[in-house]
Amino acid sequence: DTGVSQNPRHKITKRGQNVTFRCDPISEHNRLYWYRQTLGQGPEFLTYFQNEAQLEKSRLLSDRFSAERPKGSFSTLEIQRTEQGDSAMYLCASSSAEASTNEKLFFGSGTQLSVL
Amino acid sequence: EDQVTQSPEALRLQEGESSSLNCSYTVSGLRGLFWYRQDPGKGPEFLFTLYSAGEEKEKERLKATLTKKESFLHITAPKPEDSATYLCAVQAVTSYDKVIFGPGTSLSVIP
Repeated sequence: DTGVSQNPRHKITKRGQNVTFRCDPISEHNRLYWYRQTLGQGPEFLTYFQNEAQLEKSRLLSDRFSAERPKGSFSTLEIQRTEQGDSAMYLCASSSAEASTNEKLFFGSGTQLSVL
Repeated sequence: EDQVTQSPEALRLQEGESSSLNCSYTVSGLRGLFWYRQDPGKGPEFLFTLYSAGEEKEKERLKATLTKKESFLHITAPKPEDSATYLCAVQAVTSYDKVIFGPGTSLSVIP
């Protein structure tokens, strides 16, 4: 098991373009989180899956953001019509919590997005 | 609304100089409080989980404690390799189990 994998590591795009990031969680982990982190801040919750079901999406998240987790395995996060304010590190994490009492998250190294 | 704050924002210590980091939280019901370490350019790495007031956990030079309103991360005789950002996070009973993070404390340990 190689841990949580995120691709690409870096993405530079022009304002208005669409981007898609991929996250491969640790195998058999049923929970998957997406967070956004800017310099000097803690990770900000974006959305959360249990298996293939998207259980919660941050109210702060624009409709330009969408995430999927088909078949409860890998997940993708798409940002449409990117804006300069979307520039950040996008982190994915997974966990195998079964009874909601052991939410130890394993993070990937993130995708650094720069919108020019 | 569930909220996590941390202080100080940044801390600079001499090697061997012990200190504490603070995490204050406001949640309707606490399922768990977590400490993570984050190195530059990497994702956070899990350190501890605390579930109830009075609980303590230790790992090498780090000890985490929990009260009803805050948690402390005590660092004893730190070394330069302890330099990192330390993040506190909470999982609230009523928030569909999502984990929310504080802003972190950036620790620098000078040789």
